[in-house]
Amino acid sequence: AQKVTQAQTEISVVEKEDVTLDCVYETRDTTYYLFWYKQPPSGELVFLIRRNSFDEQNEISGRYSWNFQKSTSSFNFTITASQVVDSAVYFCALSEVSGGFKTIFGAGTRLFVKA
Amino acid sequence: KAGVTQTPRYLIKTRGQQVTLSCSPISGHRSVSWYQQTPGQGLQFLFEYFSETQRNKGNFPGRFSGRQFSNSRSEMNVSTLELGDSALYLCASSLGATSTDTQYFGPGTRLTVL
Repeated sequence: AQKVTQAQTEISVVEKEDVTLDCVYETRDTTYYLFWYKQPPSGELVFLIRRNSFDEQNEISGRYSWNFQKSTSSFNFTITASQVVDSAVYFCALSEVSGGFKTIFGAGTRLFVKA
Repeated sequence: KAGVTQTPRYLIKTRGQQVTLSCSPISGHRSVSWYQQTPGQGLQFLFEYFSETQRNKGNFPGRFSGRQFSNSRSEMNVSTLELGDSALYLCASSLGATSTDTQYFGPGTRLTVL
């Protein structure tokens, strides 16, 4: 069965600090997709990244970077030089190709960035 | 390109009533999924539609139902509302199958059941 664990419920940092959000997943499939979404206070989930199980290359997009390691079933997300606008709830999600067209989300990590 | 739109944005109902929520996907997207978000249970998958067919359903009672129209717009219905149905209901659209495509979410409908 598929499962996504975000062990960090809340993280609080001071602006300009780097912060890493952890995501560990479980799946029996060899083909699957991982996602990160951001949910600001407005409530709308904003897509950040999608990664398939065959692509273990790390990704960097501005201040955001993602570390995908199949060996540890982890897909961690790092924000460099955090800003107040990064304050939000971040969700990691997993979709299996054989999973019947549904996506499973982790419980989310609430990030507070203080000025 | 317009994003996913959901109406209404806020709803207040009483126990036992019925409610219908609407979702218009991004133009060209054929897949619509619905999620329920609560503080206790987090984001839970309700169902997914593609070309007017329900392809998968989450672990929710039969009081929760949905449909998709030929223009890809989708509605979900909750009958005999219970207090526990109070939640943010999110709709997401994607170009193809949600298991491979990125989902783009709407702003949600916040339902309060009194």
